[in-house]
Amino acid sequence: AQSVAQPEDQVNVAEGNPLTVKCTYSVSGNPYLFWYVQYPNRGLQFLLKYITGDNLVKGSYGFEAEFNKSQTSFHLKKPSALVSDSALYFCGLRGSGYALNFGKGTSLLVTP
Amino acid sequence: DARVTQTPRHKVTEMGQEVTMRCQPILGHNTVFWYRQTMMQGLELLAYFRNRAPLDDSGMPKDRFSAEMPDATLATLKIQPSEPRDSAVYFCASGLVLNEQYFGPGTRLTVT
Repeated sequence: AQSVAQPEDQVNVAEGNPLTVKCTYSVSGNPYLFWYVQYPNRGLQFLLKYITGDNLVKGSYGFEAEFNKSQTSFHLKKPSALVSDSALYFCGLRGSGYALNFGKGTSLLVTP
Repeated sequence: DARVTQTPRHKVTEMGQEVTMRCQPILGHNTVFWYRQTMMQGLELLAYFRNRAPLDDSGMPKDRFSAEMPDATLATLKIQPSEPRDSAVYFCASGLVLNEQYFGPGTRLTVT
């Protein structure tokens, strides 16, 4: 069985500081991993994905994610957080049928 | 800027009534997904289609939920009869096989 976990319900960071939102996964075979962001009363927006290739994936709005096979992790990062980055972040793992299994989400709060 | 559209955006109905939610996927996308989001359960996959054929609806309560794609531009999710526990935000997403999914804005359903 495959699964994805986001161990933190909430992450707080000051504006200008680096941020990390954690994601770990469990899958047999190669993982296809995604990050999405959800702003209040909106749908999920795609940020980035890892299919194969470089372990550091760059995405939208200055976000990047580091794939680590040995630690089965795919953490989302940004060098300098903005207040406007405050939102709900979801890590997703593609299943055998191409649907996504999502983590429960991590609420990011960036304070001025 | 191609987007997934969903109607209605909000629906309030009484227990026992039929509810129909509609989704227009992005033109050219061959996979369509229905997800449900609640505070308690997070994001759950209900059903998905590839080339209009249903591939998996194991996430849906079969006795009351049904999902169809009458044509490539329309996907529907019906609940009959609706129950208060169906109150949630329902998202439609579309994509191409092996690529990211694009989410609609959601239908917020309240069943009283």
